[in-house]
Amino acid sequence: AQSVTQLGSHVSVSEGALVLLRCNYSSSVPPYLFWYVQYPNQGLQLLLKYTTGATLVKGINGFEAEFKKSETSFHLTKPSAHMSDAAEYFCAVILSGGSYIPTFGRGTSLIVHP
Amino acid sequence: NAGVTQTPKFRVLKTGQSMTLLCAQDMNHEYMYWYRQDPGMGLRLIHYSVGEGTTAKGEVPDGYNVSRLKKQNFLLGLESAAPSQTSVYFCASVEGLGNSNQPQHFGDGTRLSIL
Repeated sequence: AQSVTQLGSHVSVSEGALVLLRCNYSSSVPPYLFWYVQYPNQGLQLLLKYTTGATLVKGINGFEAEFKKSETSFHLTKPSAHMSDAAEYFCAVILSGGSYIPTFGRGTSLIVHP
Repeated sequence: NAGVTQTPKFRVLKTGQSMTLLCAQDMNHEYMYWYRQDPGMGLRLIHYSVGEGTTAKGEVPDGYNVSRLKKQNFLLGLESAAPSQTSVYFCASVEGLGNSNQPQHFGDGTRLSIL
């Protein structure tokens, strides 16, 4: 079984500030981890994913995430927020070697102030 | 390259009415999913399909039915709509062959209001 917890339903930052969105997971086997972004009135789009190998994963739009097994975390970061980053962000986990049924976190709404 | 297409995009129903939401994908994916998204609840899986002719229940299947008669289409039906089914519905698909590290591809959603 697997689960995902996203800390903070809303995160507010100023334009140019660091973005940090938190995701913790639980998994009985090595997981695959995903971050998706949802812009208003759109579906989810893949930002980045961790499967195996390098624990620091780079995604689109300057985002990156680090898989930390010891902390069961996969936090999403971006050095400098842009107004266009305002969106809903979802963390998801799926079991390696398991079914294709991911478990999603409840989402974090990123608000960017000018 | 359409990806995942959902129709309709918006719909208003009266309590007790029925309707069918259509999801079509042009990527030859094996797996397809229906989710509902409600404020503060994230995505909840309603039903999914692992291939043509197969369906399975997800986390919140009550009040919904699905069919996958053709590989590219996944239909979600509401037989007797209730206000609690007011939500945004998303369809997704995954290739579903080999490793399970493949990301899902999502449609843009259907916004459904039940009065």
